[in-house]
Amino acid sequence: DAGVTQSPTHLIKTRGQHVTLRCSPISGHKSVSWYQQVLGQGPQFIFQYYEKEERGRGNFPDRFSARQFPNYSSELNVNALLLGDSALYLCASSLEVGPLNTGELFFGEGSRLTVL
Amino acid sequence: DQQVKQNSPSLSVQEGRISILNCDYTNSMFDYFLWYKKYPAEGPTFLISISSIKDKNEDGRFTVFLNKSAKHLSLHIVPSQPGDSAVYFCAATNNYGQNFVFGPGTRLSVLP
Repeated sequence: DAGVTQSPTHLIKTRGQHVTLRCSPISGHKSVSWYQQVLGQGPQFIFQYYEKEERGRGNFPDRFSARQFPNYSSELNVNALLLGDSALYLCASSLEVGPLNTGELFFGEGSRLTVL
Repeated sequence: DQQVKQNSPSLSVQEGRISILNCDYTNSMFDYFLWYKKYPAEGPTFLISISSIKDKNEDGRFTVFLNKSAKHLSLHIVPSQPGDSAVYFCAATNNYGQNFVFGPGTRLSVLP
């Protein structure tokens, strides 16, 4: 079975540009979350989507947006890129949310974004 | 304001000995805690979890202990193996499957 897949794996952008990152969850998983991991720190929560609806949002500016499609895949968009947006962006999927969820997140390998 | 802290950035242990990784949290609303392991160029992988209604959970060589009054949890690995060398993240949440708060990680090196 395929795990969580993310694309692209690496990309370089310049300040002010826009980026779209993509994620396909594990088959059958309905929830997708996005995390940002800056070097030397733990992953920081950006968004969670479940059944195409936003269920949670972390402390990130409005330049960050996301959506989930009917097939449960997801996109993370970042506008007006800043140097500080350089990070590893991790997508994670889980089967459910709420009390039915085991709490375990399954992570992809991440998309490493470098902003010059 | 770090809600989940891992005060040891790194830890070195001899193969076969016990590894103890520590984690402290400040938010008393957290009710579920997880440990993730991360190898270079890979995403974090789930290792073990514990609910706040328990004080211990064991899975093979891995045991997690939770002390709610001290807001402290620890991961014990016995015996440690070279393949355990990785960065270990402690994570906490107060609503299953939503906002997980991660600590900064501890890099474990198991020396042969």
